[in-house]
Amino acid sequence: GQNIDQPTEMTATEGAIVQINCTYQTSGFNGLFWYQQHAGEAPTFLSYNVLDGLEEKGRFSSFLSRSKGYSYLLLKELQMKDSASYLCAINAGNNRKLIWGLGTSLAVNP
Amino acid sequence: EPEVTQTPSHQVTQMGQEVILRCVPISNHLYFYWYRQILGQKVEFLVSFYNNEISEKSEIFDDQFSVERPDGSNFTLKIRSTKLEDSAMYFCASRVTSGAYEQFFGPGTRLTVL
Repeated sequence: GQNIDQPTEMTATEGAIVQINCTYQTSGFNGLFWYQQHAGEAPTFLSYNVLDGLEEKGRFSSFLSRSKGYSYLLLKELQMKDSASYLCAINAGNNRKLIWGLGTSLAVNP
Repeated sequence: EPEVTQTPSHQVTQMGQEVILRCVPISNHLYFYWYRQILGQKVEFLVSFYNNEISEKSEIFDDQFSVERPDGSNFTLKIRSTKLEDSAMYFCASRVTSGAYEQFFGPGTRLTVL
């Protein structure tokens, strides 16, 4: 079966660093995505990992360990606008459909 | 910058009515998807479409659902007889080629079934 787990909610302070974890069990792995979603809006692409290791992109980094079925998204220098849901999604199968976690709702406080 | 567009942004309908949700994918993209997100729940894959046919569909995508690319630019999702539980945000996405990984999402259509 397919299972993706993330913490439901996290809280952090402006300027701090936060790590959002994702564990998964899927069949047909073509890579792992992180998306950001503000309430009532579409998911927007943050990062993609297909090989093990860390991918850095400005204030955002994402890590993948395929053997452990584990990923994290690291957000540095948090800003108030980073308050959103962060969705972990697996790119699965030949048609590359996305299988989604429930998302982690991040609240950034001043 | 090219983007995926969806219309309408909000659709209210009565239970049992047919609805058509419209999407215009990015023009050179070849792979198309519909996802839905019921309020407070995770995003769910509905269907993928390539080369004018469905390439994969989920268990949710039953006989009440159909997709079409009628004119080479629009990509539509039809729900024949809507149910209360069809109320959700519906997202269209497109991807350029088989080697590309990123799916570009439209802004979504909020469907409310009364």
